[in-house]
Amino acid sequence: QVQLVQSGAEVKKPGSSVKVSCKASGGTFNNYAVNWVRQAPGQGLEWVGGIIPMFDTTRYAAKFQGRVSLSADDFMTTAYMALSGLSSEDTAVYYCATVAGGRFRYWGQGTLVIVSS
Amino acid sequence: DIQMTQSPSSLSASVGDRVTITCQASQDITNSLNWYQQKPGKAPKLLIYAASNLETGVPSRFSGSGSVTHFTFTISSLQPEDIATYYCQHYDNLPYTFGQGTKLEIK
Repeated sequence: QVQLVQSGAEVKKPGSSVKVSCKASGGTFNNYAVNWVRQAPGQGLEWVGGIIPMFDTTRYAAKFQGRVSLSADDFMTTAYMALSGLSSEDTAVYYCATVAGGRFRYWGQGTLVIVSS
Repeated sequence: DIQMTQSPSSLSASVGDRVTITCQASQDITNSLNWYQQKPGKAPKLLIYAASNLETGVPSRFSGSGSVTHFTFTISSLQPEDIATYYCQHYDNLPYTFGQGTKLEIK
């Protein structure tokens, strides 16, 4: 089974950018889409967007369009989420997850992004 | 966007109780609905997919039912380790959206 390992916590200034990685251990993203979900402190789950690495196709939630960019390496073992124009409202735990048939089956451990001046 | 309305937002029950959570979609999503369990500080875990299918390795006390716009998640006999927040999520189309969550506590 695929295990997803995400990069470590980040502290960023307002207006800056962050890039979070998600590495597949024990496999590749060959047969999956990789989606990103975030969770603000004490809040629910919010879909950010997804990428199908095999076809390099992306979809983003309207709320993040223009600020978020999803990518994957050529070996389809690591996926990335870049988010720009950070504000305090972007403070959250960001999760990657493999998705097949709409099922978010395997999840990373989450990456805490704190935006603070 | 499809809105997912989950109820109740919190629930207190005793060990051994039958627990039910509902999720209503703002439009017909056929059976394109999943249920997740999230424990504090952890990633969500898929329990039920396609409204009523138990994910591999998930205890049989968990079940789901429903279709179109109305869905139900049930724990047949609550165990202490079931303390968590539960979310529904539709995948009928993009954007995927989640319910607001149900926080389950032991009475």
